Amino acid sequence: DTGVSQDPRHKITKRGQNVTFRCDPISEHNRLYWYRQTLGQGPEFLTYFQNEAQLEKSRLLSDRFSAERPKGSFSTLEIQRTEQGDSAMYLCASSLSASEYGYTFGSGTRLTVV
Amino acid sequence: AQKITQTQPGMFVQEKEAVTLDCTYDTSDPSYGLFWYKQPSSGEMIFLIYQGSYDQQNATEGRYSLNFQKARKSANLVISASQLGDSAMYFCAMREPNSGAGSYQLTFGKGTKLSVIP
Repeated sequence: DTGVSQDPRHKITKRGQNVTFRCDPISEHNRLYWYRQTLGQGPEFLTYFQNEAQLEKSRLLSDRFSAERPKGSFSTLEIQRTEQGDSAMYLCASSLSASEYGYTFGSGTRLTVV
Repeated sequence: AQKITQTQPGMFVQEKEAVTLDCTYDTSDPSYGLFWYKQPSSGEMIFLIYQGSYDQQNATEGRYSLNFQKARKSANLVISASQLGDSAMYFCAMREPNSGAGSYQLTFGKGTKLSVIP
């Protein structure tokens, strides 16, 4: 395990469809984060898990968005009834509790809603 | 108000020269952390360097150094001896302790696109 893996790398979907992304963090990392990055912007925080518990959600995470981390390992981010405004890069990151040095990010899933 | 401001949308630098990327931040917390990340066209965010608010010395990591001026609330990234592979987006980010639930969430600036010219 050399890093954070995200699948798929790219997703094109029609407006109104549901999509699900997967993130596999570094195996010993108990913290997992989802960020969204739109064109020309820096990443924005969406949600955070410590082990399997979702402890924080941004107001950016509307009720069409749901994230899970069922066994404290991989995580999924689902978007229901996608809208064109959901087009973005979705980045996953993981870290150790005691780490002060930021996180390790994955390469992201680029979502395009047409 | 923006918490992280990067005023340079794009920068050019000649190969082997040094370049400074600007970052100013806004926080009322005495304890915070500042980060720089590199994002190549592949999309992955690569951690470069970290500076804690109580660190007395400027952080350095290889060719990267952070010019931390606490009173001015600036944390500029200096890249020495630029290489073609340094061409990428660079993001400044801040972590504050009161971001809730101990999440250590980061707030990012809008980034600076660095282009290294051969």
